[in-house]
Amino acid sequence: AQKVTQAQTEISVVEKEDVTLDCVYETRDTTYYLFWYKQPPSGELVFLIRRNSFDEQNEISGRYSWNFQKSTSSFNFTITASQVVDSAVYFCALSEAGEAAGNKLTFGGGTRVLVKP
Amino acid sequence: SAVISQKPSRDICQRGTSLTIQCQVDSQVTMMFWYRQQPGQSLTLIATANQGSEATYESGFVIDKFPISRPNLTFSTLTVSNMSPEDSSIYLCSVSIGGGGYEQYFGPGTRLTVT
Repeated sequence: AQKVTQAQTEISVVEKEDVTLDCVYETRDTTYYLFWYKQPPSGELVFLIRRNSFDEQNEISGRYSWNFQKSTSSFNFTITASQVVDSAVYFCALSEAGEAAGNKLTFGGGTRVLVKP
Repeated sequence: SAVISQKPSRDICQRGTSLTIQCQVDSQVTMMFWYRQQPGQSLTLIATANQGSEATYESGFVIDKFPISRPNLTFSTLTVSNMSPEDSSIYLCSVSIGGGGYEQYFGPGTRLTVT
C-alpha cells in the first residue's frame, strides 16, 4: 500500500527566511505521481505541482522549488524568501498509475507553515 | 485546469439528519472523487464516482452512510446520512483531468458541523 509521510507538523519562520518541507513516500509501483497542494486558512486546496516518477529534474516556479530524489523516496518543497501569504497547510500526495489505482490520491499528514512578519 | 463549485459551502445540521452536497464542474470529466477532512487532519478519500457505474468506496466508508450519485459527466452529489458529531468535517470533491498522468483539482469544500 502507498504511504506519504510529512514528518514536520508545523514550521514557524520569520518573513524572508527560506523554509523546506519534507515529504517521504512509499509505493511498490514503478510509475507514480507526486503532488503538492497548499491549503490556506480559507480551506480551499490549491494545486501547486505534479511530478511523474520518471522525471527527476528539479523544478523552480518563482519562489517555489521542488527536489525529487527517487533514491531516497523524497519530494521536498522549498519556499524561498517566505512571505506572510505563504502561511498555510501544505500537503504532499501520491497517486499510483494504472486503471486499478484509479488515480486516487494518498495524502501526507500536512505541514502547517506560519510566516511571521 | 477545471473550475469546481460545491453547494452548500457550509452548514450546521442536527444529529440524525442527512445532508446532500453538490459538486459541479465546468467541463466533462470521467473521474470524480469525494474526500473528507476532519478537523486539523489530512484528507481521506471516501469514494470514486464514475459516470454510469456505482461509486467505489474506500475501506471504512459505506454506501448506506455516504450514498453518491453521478448522473452525468459534470455533476455529482454526496449525501452524509444519519449524521453524528463525528461527521463534522470538510467534504471536498475533486476531478481528475488529463492523460498520461492526471492532475487533480479540488472544489472549495463544504464545511459541515453536526450538533
